[in-house]
Amino acid sequence: DTGVSQDPRHKITKRGQNVTFRCDPISEHNRLYWYRQTLGQGPEFLTYFQNEAQLEKSRLLSDRFSAERPKGSFSTLEIQRTEQGDSAMYLCASSPAALAGRDTQYFGPGTRLTVL
Amino acid sequence: RKEVEQDPGPFNVPEGATVAFNCTYSNSASQSFFWYRQDCRKEPKLLMSVYSSGNEDGRFTAQLNRASQYISLLIRDSKLSDSATYLCVVIPYNNNDMRFGAGTRLTVKP
Repeated sequence: DTGVSQDPRHKITKRGQNVTFRCDPISEHNRLYWYRQTLGQGPEFLTYFQNEAQLEKSRLLSDRFSAERPKGSFSTLEIQRTEQGDSAMYLCASSPAALAGRDTQYFGPGTRLTVL
Repeated sequence: RKEVEQDPGPFNVPEGATVAFNCTYSNSASQSFFWYRQDCRKEPKLLMSVYSSGNEDGRFTAQLNRASQYISLLIRDSKLSDSATYLCVVIPYNNNDMRFGAGTRLTVKP
């Protein structure tokens, strides 16, 4: 399967714990995006990378959220001190960056986070 | 006002019906437009891009009206397999992240 993959698919954690999610983009794609989706809403943009550079992070929800893409391949999204309001689906997408703002993003299956 | 607004839905239609979804966006400088489809508990998947001249892909037709900041999707001859949530997506000018509407749910019934 050469699509975007995410791990884990489901995560249940207790309030206050830290969680980390991984995303592996399509291999030839150099742009990688993180989104959050809550029930009944469309995905909400969090951050994105071009290769290893994080080009936009002002829309991360709080300073408890951070993302990395150290070698320009896979990426991780970490949430520290989780809160119940963090419960959501976290989606990763990648794109080939053919033309800025015009290339199609392909989504992974998401990681569903439940904070108890 | 939300950046991207869609018909609230849900739409419940019989097989073979024609159904239209509307979407408006607030940023007049937006540059790219898409319709994505999302099945229940699955990831969004690209349905089609939307071009200024309008475009068609089989039973699906997308239209863009930049002056009115309005996007539409028309589905003809609805199939049971068209049942899903349809997400309107806009990319602002000189930007790369996609702005999604809340989605419109379609259920096609036999």
